[in-house]
Amino acid sequence: AQSVTQPDIHITVSEGASLELRCNYSYGATPYLFWYVQSPGQGLQLLLKYFSGDTLVQGIKGFEAEFKRSQSSFNLRKPSVHWSDAAEYFCAVFHTGGNKLTFGTGTQLKVEL
Amino acid sequence: DGGITQSPKYLFRKEGQNVTLSCEQNLNHDAMYWYRQDPGQGLRLIYYSQIVNDFQKGDIAEGYSVSREKKESFPLTVTSAQKNPTAFYLCASSLTHLELSTDTQYFGPGTRLTVL
Repeated sequence: AQSVTQPDIHITVSEGASLELRCNYSYGATPYLFWYVQSPGQGLQLLLKYFSGDTLVQGIKGFEAEFKRSQSSFNLRKPSVHWSDAAEYFCAVFHTGGNKLTFGTGTQLKVEL
Repeated sequence: DGGITQSPKYLFRKEGQNVTLSCEQNLNHDAMYWYRQDPGQGLRLIYYSQIVNDFQKGDIAEGYSVSREKKESFPLTVTSAQKNPTAFYLCASSLTHLELSTDTQYFGPGTRLTVL
């Protein structure tokens, strides 16, 4: 069965430091991968997505993610975190067989000033 | 402004009562979805609809019902059969829901339901 694992439940970084949020997926075919961000009490906003092509994907708000097939990973990165980046981040995989998105359990990011 | 609206933002109900959550979109999207979010569990799919007058069960449909009489509207009813209805409910839509589609899903702001 398809699944998405986000191994870090909580991460704390200092403002200005670099960030990497981990995402591992289990899927038999070529995955379509997404990262979403959720501010408290709000809906989800799409940060970036990977369908095919270049394995390094650029998104909004200065985020990027790299698809590594050999490691079944799609980690999210940002070179310098801002206090406004504090939120919960969700990785998701779209699988055509079930025609739906499967979400990870999320990583809560805290930014220390 | 195009987007997805959900109302109300907060909803309180007594145990045993049915309650209906509203979801409206003006994006002209064919497909609409309902998710439930609980702390530490990510999002789980309740129901989805590919087109008007059609809908399919997701992973956790028991105790819920939906209708899709209009393209722009996809209301969710939480029935008294749902054993643990207190949660944050998110509605989403995408342009199409074809088998090979990779259209992005756009989310509404959510409704927090608390059953007392």
